[in-house]
Amino acid sequence: GAVVSQHPSRVICKSGTSVKIECRSLDFQATTMFWYRQFPKKSLMLMATSNEGSKATYEQGVEKDKFLINHASLTLSTLTVTSAHPEDSSFYICSARDPVAGENSPLHFGNGTRLTVT
Amino acid sequence: GQNIDQPTEMTATEGAIVQINCTYQTSGFNGLFWYQQHAGEAPTFLSYNVLDGLEEKGRFSSFLSRSKGYSYLLLKELQMKDSASYLCAVRDSNYQLIWGAGTKLIIKP
Repeated sequence: GAVVSQHPSRVICKSGTSVKIECRSLDFQATTMFWYRQFPKKSLMLMATSNEGSKATYEQGVEKDKFLINHASLTLSTLTVTSAHPEDSSFYICSARDPVAGENSPLHFGNGTRLTVT
Repeated sequence: GQNIDQPTEMTATEGAIVQINCTYQTSGFNGLFWYQQHAGEAPTFLSYNVLDGLEEKGRFSSFLSRSKGYSYLLLKELQMKDSASYLCAVRDSNYQLIWGAGTKLIIKP
């Protein structure tokens, strides 16, 4: 089945630094990838839709200058949290759908990245 | 607005059966998904319903009634490893996924 790989799984950084999270589709090409954020005991919150070769589409309330998304190839999307603050600490998860599998195919998720900003 | 409701937490006994309900109000409907999420991990796909009725997959079954805006996930022969959160998600008319907050299922021996 379709596999999505996300790296790193955990990262601890200091306030003011930037952190890059990578999301790769391993056995399919993803023109679109989705970045989610999840707070403890809460549901998934869609942050942005990453589009290969064009600008990402951000959800309302998500700062595009803070959460930089790059989708330079059909198998790689990156999320960079810039000038991180403690309130950015969260679980970030990427996902993608195999377009060959059709519109009804499910989203496949990366294993998530636990970000802690000290 | 769009809304998905599911119970926050449920408890069941190992070997028993549990039903997790999900009701939704969305602008349009293009399918309903159930995902399992263990603590600290990403969600994994369980089932998909787009037509009314029951979809069975081993110990797990999912039911959909579009007229009632209702679905349930049925887990049989519960095992300790089934302790997880179960997320209901509906795809609306724009093919956007609307997520429920998840139901935390606790299995007791």
